[in-house]
Amino acid sequence: GESVGLHLPTLSVQEGDNSIINCAYSNSASDYFIWYKQESGKGPQFIIDIRSNMDKRQGQRVTVLLNKTVKHLSLQIAATQPGDSAVYFCAEHGSSNTGKLIFGQGTTLQVKP
Amino acid sequence: KAGVTQTPRYLIKTRGQQVTLSCSPISGHRSVSWYQQTPGQGLQFLFEYFSETQRNKGNFPGRFSGRQFSNSRSEMNVSTLELGDSALYLCASSRASGYNEQFFGPGTRLTVL
Repeated sequence: GESVGLHLPTLSVQEGDNSIINCAYSNSASDYFIWYKQESGKGPQFIIDIRSNMDKRQGQRVTVLLNKTVKHLSLQIAATQPGDSAVYFCAEHGSSNTGKLIFGQGTTLQVKP
Repeated sequence: KAGVTQTPRYLIKTRGQQVTLSCSPISGHRSVSWYQQTPGQGLQFLFEYFSETQRNKGNFPGRFSGRQFSNSRSEMNVSTLELGDSALYLCASSRASGYNEQFFGPGTRLTVL
């Protein structure tokens, strides 16, 4: 079936450290990927996206890496802050013709002060 | 600019009843997608509407239906509620279908007793 899976359910890091959240996707034909952050009581919030013609994209304190050979996606957060504590989802865009997103199961990021 | 709004935020129903959830997209956005979020299944795509037409539908039974109005507002309906329908229902809007950033609302928490 369709799936985008995450390797670890929970990641605990010290404030100020860098965080790396991983994701494996199943559809080798997918060409658009997005990372979302979901805080308690809120809907997912867009963090960063990447197209398959790129292998790296940087935002503010975040970097997404795409390895199409092994169908792997990662989100790197630099200098992790308490406000980064949330559940992070990777999502795979199913088709350029629709808005359908296929989400991974999510990784909980806990930032220790 | 106002974000995506969903009403109601919380809802309690009993088995066998039906429910209608509402989503108002960001002004100017014409695509609305619906997702179901549960602890066990994660975020799953329900359907997408663009210009009042259903563009795509996820693997949910026919009890789940939706529609979109000419002002892009969308509703989803679940008939003959089951206990397993208890979930957070999220709506996301984007300017158009396809590879466009989707903005999520806070969701409607449905509890079926």
